[in-house]
Parts: sequence; C-alpha cells; structure tokens
Amino acid sequence: EAQVTQNPRYLITVTGKKLTVTCSQNMNHEYMSWYRQDPGLGLRQIYYSMNVEVTDKGDVPEGYKVSRKEKRNFPLILESPSPNQTSLYFCASSLFRGTTDTQYFGPGTRLTVL
Amino acid sequence: AQTVTQSQPEMSVQEAETVTLSCTYDTSENNYYLFWYKQPPSRQMILVIRQEAYKQQNATENRFSVNFQKAAKSFSLKISDSQLGDTAMYFCAFMPTSSGNTPLVFGKGTRLSVIA
Repeated sequence: EAQVTQNPRYLITVTGKKLTVTCSQNMNHEYMSWYRQDPGLGLRQIYYSMNVEVTDKGDVPEGYKVSRKEKRNFPLILESPSPNQTSLYFCASSLFRGTTDTQYFGPGTRLTVL
Repeated sequence: AQTVTQSQPEMSVQEAETVTLSCTYDTSENNYYLFWYKQPPSRQMILVIRQEAYKQQNATENRFSVNFQKAAKSFSLKISDSQLGDTAMYFCAFMPTSSGNTPLVFGKGTRLSVIA
C-alpha cells in the first residue's frame, strides 16, 4: 500500500531534550516536506527536500533541522525543543515538485513540549 | 504572497443535505492548482478533490464537486448527500506550478458537522 508513515504518532517531552520524528514514504517520491499545524494558523511549511541531499527552509524553519540521506526518509529533528514547538506535525511527499502531482500526507505527529 | 481565505470557521448540515464551503485566494500567478483536504478526528490529511487552474471544467469526485471561478479567485466545495463520515475539518489549499519551492498554502479551515 502506497503511504507516508510517521513515528511516533504522539510524543510528550521536556524542554531541551533532543528528539527526532521520522517520516518514510514507499512511493519513490522525490519531493518531501514537513508542515506544522496550529489552531487558527492552518498548516505552515517547515522544511522541504527536492531530492536526496537537497533540503531547504520553508516558512517556519527556526528550531528545526532535517536530513535527506535516502530518498524514502526525511526525518525532522528538534535539537532543543521549546514549548512553542508544541504542535501537530505532518510529513508529505509527492513525485516531483511543480507538476500535477498531489502531495500525500502522513498521519501526523502530535508533539507536546513541557 | 499567496493567501487563502476560508470565511466560514464552522458549518453544520443535516444528513443527506447539500452544503457548500467557501474558499477565496489571492495570487498573481496564472497557473496553479487548488485542493480541498479533509481532516477527520483522526487528524490525517486526506485529499478530497483537486482542480487545475487552466481547466475550465469544474472537478468532481463522487459526492464532492467544486465551483471554480478563476476571475473571482473563488474555489468552493459542494458536498452532496452529506454523510456522518463527512464530519471533519476541511482545508482549501493553493499551489503555484512555478518551479522551485512554493509550498501548499492553506486556509485556516472550516469545521463541518453533519447532523443526523
């Protein structure tokens, strides 16, 4: 089954404790992206990757890192989480960027930083 | 910068009735895509329907259809024969087709409740 998976689905952590949210897709997609969703703000892009080893900042990159060592994986890293990073996070992928391809979303990760 | 506006924070509809969710957007681009995503209580983002701006014909997917008015920059979603499973948050989203990274721009969402 074609899908985007994220782990963990729920995470409660404390300020300053490094964490990684994994994202994996099995559709051989080149383009991957991370969004955060906050009440009243909709979804905003954090980082994106056009292909392996090619990543760049989205609209709200501060406090986040990503890597794209393999095509299928695009982990989101919070080196020193803070309470303002409490949010719902979505990973998304599409075959290419700028074509007719639709972005497929993962199930979301609910992060709480105390 | 592109913006997407959903003017109805919440709506409700009786089961089996029809409801229309509004969406307007602002852009100087000529070629782009528009999407409606559904987010049920499970929080997953599910693509409902997609419209290419160069197509004049409105997209339809079973009980879901859109009314795309390019000149007015309007992209409303009509849900016919509403079902309890349609209860969800609905997001309108815009994506230019220009190269480089222009992420999906989302509206703030409309919470739809289908009432039995």
